[in-house]
Amino acid sequence: EAQVTQNPRYLITVTGKKLTVTCSQNMNHEYMSWYRQDPGLGLRQIYYSMNVEVTDKGDVPEGYKVSRKEKRNFPLILESPSPNQTSLYFCASSFWNSYEQYFGPGTRLTVT
Amino acid sequence: ELKVEQNPLFLSMQEGKNYTIYCNYSTTSDRLYWYRQDPGKSLESLFVLLSNGAVKQEGRLMASLDTKARLSTLHITAAVHDLSATYFCAVDKKAAGNKLTFGGGTRVLVKP
Repeated sequence: EAQVTQNPRYLITVTGKKLTVTCSQNMNHEYMSWYRQDPGLGLRQIYYSMNVEVTDKGDVPEGYKVSRKEKRNFPLILESPSPNQTSLYFCASSFWNSYEQYFGPGTRLTVT
Repeated sequence: ELKVEQNPLFLSMQEGKNYTIYCNYSTTSDRLYWYRQDPGKSLESLFVLLSNGAVKQEGRLMASLDTKARLSTLHITAAVHDLSATYFCAVDKKAAGNKLTFGGGTRVLVKP
């Protein structure tokens, strides 16, 4: 089954404790990205990757890091989480310039 | 900077009546998307509109696109409870790759 998976699905952590949210897709997509969803703001892109070892900033990259060492995986790293990073996070993947994007199930992160 | 605005932000519907959600975007875009999100769930793709005058329909939902006015509408016919959800529109530009710029969402509640 074609899918995008994220782990963990729920996470409560404390300020400053490094964490990683994993994203994996099994469709051989070149393009992967991370979005955060906040009430009234819709989804905003954090980082994206056009292929292995190619990543770039989206609209709200501050406080986040990513890596793309393998085509299927695109982890989101919060080196020192802060309460303003409490949000719902979605990973998405697609073929380059395709209008068919696949979204993961979401990760709800709470930073206290 | 590309901005997408939806209105209304919240829509309380009566079953059996018709309603419209509006989506305006600020600069020329190539594709317009409508998504549905149920509470705690990921995004479900409803429609992709690719050209001026495009109209797509699925069940009680119909989406249209006017690229000259930079406006898309999502029309709901004879609302039913199952349509309660949050609806997002989003746009992208081929020159910007696969990045989606989202509106803030319209929360729809259909009451009997």
